[in-house]
Amino acid sequence: AQRVTQPEKLLSVFKGAPVELKCNYSYSGSPELFWYVQYSRQRLQLLLRHISRESIKGFTADLNKGETSFHLKKPFAQEEDSAMYYCALSRNTGGFKTIFGAGTRLFVKA
Amino acid sequence: DTGVSQDPRHKITKRGQNVTFRCDPISEHNRLYWYRQTLGQGPEFLTYFQNEAQLEKSRLLSDRFSAERPKGSFSTLEIQRTEQGDSAMYLCASSGLQGNYGYTFGSGTRLTVV
Repeated sequence: AQRVTQPEKLLSVFKGAPVELKCNYSYSGSPELFWYVQYSRQRLQLLLRHISRESIKGFTADLNKGETSFHLKKPFAQEEDSAMYYCALSRNTGGFKTIFGAGTRLFVKA
Repeated sequence: DTGVSQDPRHKITKRGQNVTFRCDPISEHNRLYWYRQTLGQGPEFLTYFQNEAQLEKSRLLSDRFSAERPKGSFSTLEIQRTEQGDSAMYLCASSGLQGNYGYTFGSGTRLTVV
């Protein structure tokens, strides 16, 4: 069965500190992994996709198939990074149905 | 095109009443998805459409829930005989047919059943 686990409900870091948001998944096929972000009073939006290997707003995420993880990292957190972050797993066929984790709230303190 | 639009933004209804929500996806997007989100949880899949065809429904979707996308453009989600447990944020998202580039979400409809 597909499952996405985000073990931390809340992560609090100081501005300028590194941040890592953890995500583990289970899926029998070849998944596509995403991170979505929701800033205060805004809609849920795509942050990045594992397949594009891009860095968005300084965030990167590497898919580790051995550990079935897709952790989101940023070397120096900014106050504007404070938001709710959701890890998501999408199957590669049949409409790209996506399963979301429960989310991690990141709070960056000044 | 201003993205994915959902209407209404908020709906308060009495238990037992029927409610209907509307979603207008990005015009070029063939796929449309409905999700439900409750406090402290991520979005849960309800159903999705490719053009006008409803191709998958979650087991979460009881007989009281029905969704349509009659002309392959906007979609409606109806809940009949609402229950307090239906209180949630109902999210709509759309995506293109070619490749898996992730979803574009609407702002959601918050349903409160009293």
